[in-house]
Amino acid sequence: EDQVTQSPEALRLQEGESSSLNCSYTVSGLRGLFWYRQDPGKGPEFLFTLYSAGEEKEKERLKATITKKESFLHITAPKPEDSATYLCAVQVGWRADGLTFGKGTHLIIQP
Amino acid sequence: DGGITQSPKYLFRKEGQNVTLSCEQNLNHDAMYWYRQDPGQGLRLIYYSQIVNDFQKGDIAEGYSVSREKKESFPLTVTSAQKNPTAFYLCASSVGTVGEAFFGQGTRLTVV
Repeated sequence: EDQVTQSPEALRLQEGESSSLNCSYTVSGLRGLFWYRQDPGKGPEFLFTLYSAGEEKEKERLKATITKKESFLHITAPKPEDSATYLCAVQVGWRADGLTFGKGTHLIIQP
Repeated sequence: DGGITQSPKYLFRKEGQNVTLSCEQNLNHDAMYWYRQDPGQGLRLIYYSQIVNDFQKGDIAEGYSVSREKKESFPLTVTSAQKNPTAFYLCASSVGTVGEAFFGQGTRLTVV
């Protein structure tokens, strides 16, 4: 069974304190790995797509990396506005029902 | 501005009633999706449609129905057959890669 596990479930950081969120996956035939940001009571916002081990993507204070078993979302010098739940999803087939989401990491950045 | 509009934002339903959630997009995307989000769980796919007048069941389609009569619209009906309908419902659309989706702001359905 395809599985996506995100850790930690929740993370509280001080402003400027860098850290990483983890998304580990056990799937057969990864087609793509996706990171989203979700604010409370809102829909997810797409951030990055990663296709193969060694790939990296960056956007402002966020950097996503991937290996054959896991992906990391690195947050450098975070600000309070980076507080959100970050979701990871993997695609294992070419159809829409091939997308499996993790439960998310709830990130709080304290001023 | 292009985007996805879900309405209403909050919806209350009595047990035994059917209710329809609206989803409209002006992004000209062919594919549209409905997900359900529950506390402590990942998003789960209810239905998806890749073209007008065609749709497929996702992982948790029981108790739900959809239609896709127009490219812009993909309404979801939560029927009385859905055993636990209280949840946050998200509509999304995409062009190309299914994982690079645009989401609406969601509808929170509560059964009272």
